[in-house]
Amino acid sequence: DAKTTQPNSMESNEEEPVHLPCNHSTISGTDYIHWYRQLPSQGPEYVIHGLTSNVNNRMASLAIAEDRKSSTLILHRATLRDAAVYYCILRDNTGKLIFGQGTTLQVKP
Amino acid sequence: ETGVTQSPTHLIKTRGQQVTLRCSSQSGHNTVSWYQQALGQGPQFIFQYYREEENGRGNFPPRFSGLQFPNYSSELNVNALELDDSALYLCASSSSYAENEKLFFGSGTQLSVL
Repeated sequence: DAKTTQPNSMESNEEEPVHLPCNHSTISGTDYIHWYRQLPSQGPEYVIHGLTSNVNNRMASLAIAEDRKSSTLILHRATLRDAAVYYCILRDNTGKLIFGQGTTLQVKP
Repeated sequence: ETGVTQSPTHLIKTRGQQVTLRCSSQSGHNTVSWYQQALGQGPQFIFQYYREEENGRGNFPPRFSGLQFPNYSSELNVNALELDDSALYLCASSSSYAENEKLFFGSGTQLSVL
């Protein structure tokens, strides 16, 4: 199973952009890059996913390096409700998600 | 559309007992997967069901077993409970197990084994 590496924790100020990095140097050609987040006392929540091109949705943007060995989740304006553990995951055609430790994001008012 | 619901929300058992956890998948979803999340850790994949057949399993012993029903709801059964089985058990559903599908998670069942 291909693995990802993320910083353990990050801090951000409210209403400022946040860039959450992820390294996945062993990614294979068909693995999709998924991001989920988990708020306290809740199950993980889908954020965004992509294969090669950068992706945008109402929650976030995903920037994928040209060699696909790293990616960055971008929250354009962090709010207090964005404080969560963010997981970067490579998903292959078996369907399973292999979670790492994730990045705990703290948002300061 | 209704989301993924799990029951019960909390459960206390003693070592050696058996437990059944239940999951109702989101409408239209035929794939269900189960995850175990120990305190302070990321979720770990237990197994996955697609159209009532198990089609993937993580590194868990056979005393962890499951079922998926014709309506695509699912059960996770754990026999001979051990103290280390204390964890949050998460169920997730999706339209398929393809790599570009997103998963929808329930809020989990918190199991405590005493």
